Amino acid sequence: GIQVEQSPPDLILQEGANSTLRCNFSDSVNNLQWFHQNPWGQLINLFYIPSGTKQNGRLSATTVATERYSLLYISSSQTTDSGVYFCAVSGGGSNYKLTFGKGTLLTVNP
Amino acid sequence: GAGVSQSPRYKVAKRGQDVALRCDPISGHVSLFWYQQALGQGPEFLTYFQNEAQLDKSGLPSDRFFAERPEGSVSTLKIQRTQQEDSAVYLCASSPRGGGAYNEQFFGPGTRLTVL
Repeated sequence: GIQVEQSPPDLILQEGANSTLRCNFSDSVNNLQWFHQNPWGQLINLFYIPSGTKQNGRLSATTVATERYSLLYISSSQTTDSGVYFCAVSGGGSNYKLTFGKGTLLTVNP
Repeated sequence: GAGVSQSPRYKVAKRGQDVALRCDPISGHVSLFWYQQALGQGPEFLTYFQNEAQLDKSGLPSDRFFAERPEGSVSTLKIQRTQQEDSAVYLCASSPRGGGAYNEQFFGPGTRLTVL
């Protein structure tokens, strides 16, 4: 099946800093989603982005499907941005089941 | 509108007990998914429904796991004779269309199952 690798595994920032999270995948994809898992475990949809670029406030994402990677940018980070960020894809012969990476644990300190 | 809801939010079971976990998808969503998330890991796919049809159950870990969606709306994941290794968060997701491709999934808050 399709493989998903996220980097870095852990990231510690001071409030106000910017960051880039990366997601590499091993095959062509028809779905790609970025999620933020909050401390209560809820997966919050950030972006649905199988290709192209999207922006939502301080967050933006870019997926370059031909080169099999996606980037999530967080600007002017806030303490409420803390949590685990997951990239999840479907593809490689399956067009529905999402395969998740191991996530990036982001800690934003005041 | 309301998102995906799951109940109970927490469940403690003694080893060997049967449990039933409920998922209410977003109204009108055709596709429904169950995932299992172990501590410190990303969610892993268990099973997929399109309306009432279970099209893929390849991720169910054993024959003790059973899922149904009899009327194409609410779904129940049942685990028989629970074991300690079943302890995890069980997540339900729904998406508006069938077929999956280009079809965003929305997740519920999960049920945290602890087997003692």
